[in-house]
Amino acid sequence: GAGVSQSPSNKVTEKGKDVELRCDPISGHTALYWYRQRLGQGLEFLIYFQGNSAPDKSGLPSDRFSAERTGESVSTLTIQRTQQEDSAVYLCASSTIGLAGAPTGELFFGEGSRLTVL
Amino acid sequence: GENVEQHPSTLSVQEGDSAVIKCTYSDSASNYFPWYKQELGKRPQLIIDIRSNVGEKKDQRIAVTLNKTAKHFSLHITETQPEDSAVYFCAASSGNDYKLSFGAGTTVTVRA
Repeated sequence: GAGVSQSPSNKVTEKGKDVELRCDPISGHTALYWYRQRLGQGLEFLIYFQGNSAPDKSGLPSDRFSAERTGESVSTLTIQRTQQEDSAVYLCASSTIGLAGAPTGELFFGEGSRLTVL
Repeated sequence: GENVEQHPSTLSVQEGDSAVIKCTYSDSASNYFPWYKQELGKRPQLIIDIRSNVGEKKDQRIAVTLNKTAKHFSLHITETQPEDSAVYFCAASSGNDYKLSFGAGTTVTVRA
């Protein structure tokens, strides 16, 4: 597609349920990121993928959070046993990788998945 | 890790006036400093960026300045228009570091 696509756009769930959030990056973008944005706050880094591997998972808040990426394309962020503090917009972004093996700069964001945990 | 602080958190300006947002960073190895604009309910989008080998960069009504010694950088918007109303985020990352650290954001409101 033309841009980063995320689904669902909105998800309301009950505390304790598991949720899966999906990200379709721009075709050919090797780097993929997940960020969390709580209401009125900045972007909080969660995890970075280069290809299908995740060299940095340091931002994942707890072991209830996990993410995977397959085919150097789609990524899924899974939150198990959701808590009310997990309520936020989860943003996915992708970028290209330069010759030095590092992302080239601009992140292209999806429109996010708004998660509400009741 | 990198820590980016952004001020002010909110900014209200009269249409036609200038707006300035300032950010400081902690990691002296950081050398890439982008600014993202997020309109209400929309995705963040890159509006301008600067690398540490440059002190200033301008694109029409927006400009970014960087002071490496003081570890701060600023966004300047001149002749503000209603469509400039949005949340602006600064960010910083080091050369081979994939991870952008974002500031908390500045909500800019341009009054007609």
